[in-house]
Amino acid sequence: DTAVSQTPKYLVTQMGNDKSIKCEQNLGHDTMYWYKQDSKKFLKIMFSYNNKELIINETVPNRFSPKSPDKAHLNLHINSLELGDSAVYFCASSQLQRGWYEQYFGPGTRLTVT
Amino acid sequence: ILNVEQSPQSLHVQEGDSTNFTCSFPSSNFYALHWYRWETAKSPEALFVMTLNGDEKKKGRISATLNTKEGYSYLYIKGSQPEDSATYLCASSVGGTSYGKLTFGQGTILTVHP
Repeated sequence: DTAVSQTPKYLVTQMGNDKSIKCEQNLGHDTMYWYKQDSKKFLKIMFSYNNKELIINETVPNRFSPKSPDKAHLNLHINSLELGDSAVYFCASSQLQRGWYEQYFGPGTRLTVT
Repeated sequence: ILNVEQSPQSLHVQEGDSTNFTCSFPSSNFYALHWYRWETAKSPEALFVMTLNGDEKKKGRISATLNTKEGYSYLYIKGSQPEDSATYLCASSVGGTSYGKLTFGQGTILTVHP
């Protein structure tokens, strides 16, 4: 059983297009995250939702908009794609466990903008 | 220390060797330290989450220690096996209502040669 899934796994698109990446978790967690793996391979937090409410919003261009229809889903919509948006995007989820926030990651979506 | 830093960046060992690497993190307002194991083409997988100064965790041949006063954690692998080859990430989180915002280091790439 897949705990955190993302679709699509690969996404190739042209500059200026709008695209979405979907994430779903079946762990019953109440918090979900989007990370971007940058060119230096760092994982950097972009957004986090808790029970459908935005709680972390890092310095991300407003072309990126997360949407959480329910606590099991967190989608990432990107408008007017730019070359610099090419990266691997990871979704993750967590549930408060005695104050620890162990995160479970999805398989990643490799976005290539041409 | 303002960021999470890991050393070395990469490490090559022979099968059977024991090895260790370091994670340095900001000690002010510390909440938790996470270690993740990230195999190529897979998603990061949580190894340990530690919160208390002096914490030691162990899972099979892998163990970790935590010093929150000086801001470092060590990950040890005893008797390395080729299947231990992966990138080992550490991440720290700070207190408050950050709901699990993790700051990741760049990782230590471990290659275990048969």
